[in-house]
Amino acid sequence: QKEVEQNSGPLSVPEGAIASLNCTYSDRVSQSFFWYRQYSGKSPELIMSIYSNGDKEDGRFTAQLNKASQYVSLLIRDSQPSDSATYLCASGYSTLTFGKGTMLLVSP
Amino acid sequence: EADIYQTPRYLVIGTGKKITLECSQTMGHDKMYWYQQDPGMELHLIHYSYGVNSTEKGDLSSESTVSRIRTEHFPLTLESARPSHTSQYLCASSEPRRLAGQSSYNEQFFGPGTRLTVL
Repeated sequence: QKEVEQNSGPLSVPEGAIASLNCTYSDRVSQSFFWYRQYSGKSPELIMSIYSNGDKEDGRFTAQLNKASQYVSLLIRDSQPSDSATYLCASGYSTLTFGKGTMLLVSP
Repeated sequence: EADIYQTPRYLVIGTGKKITLECSQTMGHDKMYWYQQDPGMELHLIHYSYGVNSTEKGDLSSESTVSRIRTEHFPLTLESARPSHTSQYLCASSEPRRLAGQSSYNEQFFGPGTRLTVL
């Protein structure tokens, strides 16, 4: 059974710090990996996608993928209170398997 | 980015009622999905479609049914709602993209969701 594991948190960081979110996946054939942000009561919003080993940067966000270790991470630089949300990791090919998400709390 | 619409946004109904949750997208995406999410829990795929007249069951067993008669429309129906169906239902769509030298992948974009409460 395909699984995506995330620490449920909450991960608490002060404003301006770097938040590091981690995810492991079990399906070795997964080729695409995604990070979604979900505010309480809202639907998930895609913030990053990554398909190759290494780093991918987009603004304050950096996704890192290590297929050998089956590990994906998301770094958020200069964290803001508005970044406080649950971050969902997903992996798959034609369909996605989602983790339970990590709650991030950024304090002013 | 996809424009995906779901109606109603909130629905409270009694046990035994038949309901249809609507999902429409305006981007012409072939692939559409229905997920169920309980508070604090992960998304579970309950149905998906790869195009018109294509429907498949997802990882989570569901008593709901879906249809795909038009590309832009993917409604979900519960013939007889029960309290165990109380949940948030999220619709998503995607279009395959291909990177050089790699297989296609699908970025999924979600609608706002329907929060269903069955009394």
